[in-house]
Amino acid sequence: GAVVSQHPSWVICKSGTSVKIECRSLDFQATTMFWYRQFPKQSLMLMATSNEGSKATYEQGVEKDKFLINHASLTLSTLTVTSAHPEDSSFYICSARGGTYNSPLHFGNGTRLTVT
Amino acid sequence: SQQGEEDPQALSIQEGENATMNCSYKTSINNLQWYRQNSGRGLVHLILIRSNEREKHSGRLRVTLDTSKKSSSLLITASRAADTASYFCATEGGGGKLIFGQGTELSVKP
Repeated sequence: GAVVSQHPSWVICKSGTSVKIECRSLDFQATTMFWYRQFPKQSLMLMATSNEGSKATYEQGVEKDKFLINHASLTLSTLTVTSAHPEDSSFYICSARGGTYNSPLHFGNGTRLTVT
Repeated sequence: SQQGEEDPQALSIQEGENATMNCSYKTSINNLQWYRQNSGRGLVHLILIRSNEREKHSGRLRVTLDTSKKSSSLLITASRAADTASYFCATEGGGGKLIFGQGTELSVKP
């Protein structure tokens, strides 16, 4: 089946630094990728939708200058948390879809970010 | 933005019992999906039901969808300790975005 690889699986960084999270579709071309964040014991909140070769569409309340999303190829999207603060500590999950909007969505295993 | 409400928020049952989780949503949908998440891990897709379907089965899972009430239910029969996890419904509308419900934390005691 289709596989989405997310890297790193966990990262600890100091406040003020930037962290990049990668999301790769391993055996299909992902025309659309979605980024979610999840706080402990809460649901997944959609942050943004990224389409290959175009600017990401951010959900209301998500700072686009804070969470930089790049989807430069059909197999890779990156989320960069810039100038991270402790309140950015969360579980970030990407998902990817190939083909049309009817294609199934495949999820990565998530990245646990801890900002100290 | 979230549009799914799930109840109960937490459910504790004995092995062998059935577990029922409910999900309500607000807008029109193309389909509704159920996912499972073990603590601190990624999501596992369980089942998808399209807006023109009313019921769907997969192994020990049974999902119903009532579009007039904008609600869905997930039934897990003959539960096992390994079913312990969080369960989320997610609705897919225009644009292909998946919007998740608040989730139900299921605990199955051996």
